[in-house]
Amino acid sequence: GQQLNQSPQSMFIQEGEDVSMNCTSSSIFNTWLWYKQDPGEGPVLLIALYKAGELTSNGRLTAQFGITRKDSFLNISASIPSDVGIYFCITQGGSEKLVFGKGTKLTVNP
Amino acid sequence: DAGVTQSPTHLIKTRGQQVTLRCSPKSGHDTVSWYQQALGQGPQFIFQYYEEEERQRGNFPDRFSGHQFPNYSSELNVNALLLGDSALYLCASSLLDGSPLHFGNGTRLTVT
Repeated sequence: GQQLNQSPQSMFIQEGEDVSMNCTSSSIFNTWLWYKQDPGEGPVLLIALYKAGELTSNGRLTAQFGITRKDSFLNISASIPSDVGIYFCITQGGSEKLVFGKGTKLTVNP
Repeated sequence: DAGVTQSPTHLIKTRGQQVTLRCSPKSGHDTVSWYQQALGQGPQFIFQYYEEEERQRGNFPDRFSGHQFPNYSSELNVNALLLGDSALYLCASSLLDGSPLHFGNGTRLTVT
């Protein structure tokens, strides 16, 4: 079945640092979504990407849909303590079935 | 505008029992999907419901079944519970057109 490779698996950074994480796949997808999950809560949508090459920002977050349609990255600038959580990339292909990455656990040290 | 709501928030069952989890979708959404999230893992797709029918199913046994009601709310039923069924069960709603999922905060199921 389709699989996503999300990296890194975990990150430990200092407050104020920039963060970058990415997802890659051997398959082509039509949509890339980035979600954040706080402890004890459900994932919350951060950014949705629908077109190859698309670069979208949401405050300090920036994400891009790779031109090959097989990858995407998420950047967080000037991290703050509330950025702590698990970040998931999710893709959606022609079958409409969503595929989840395994998540990137982010820890921000004040 | 209420988002996705799930009940109960926590549940403890013993092996062999049956459980029913409930979900109310975000207002205006007609499609409900259920996910199982084991500790430290990403969510795994169980199944999706639209117009009261199961549209897609993930790699889960028949012990996992569901239902969608005319008001779009949904239930997830798990029979003959196993210890390995302990997880956070997430409900997500959307429109059938593939708009992004909106997740509830989940039901934490513990099987002892």
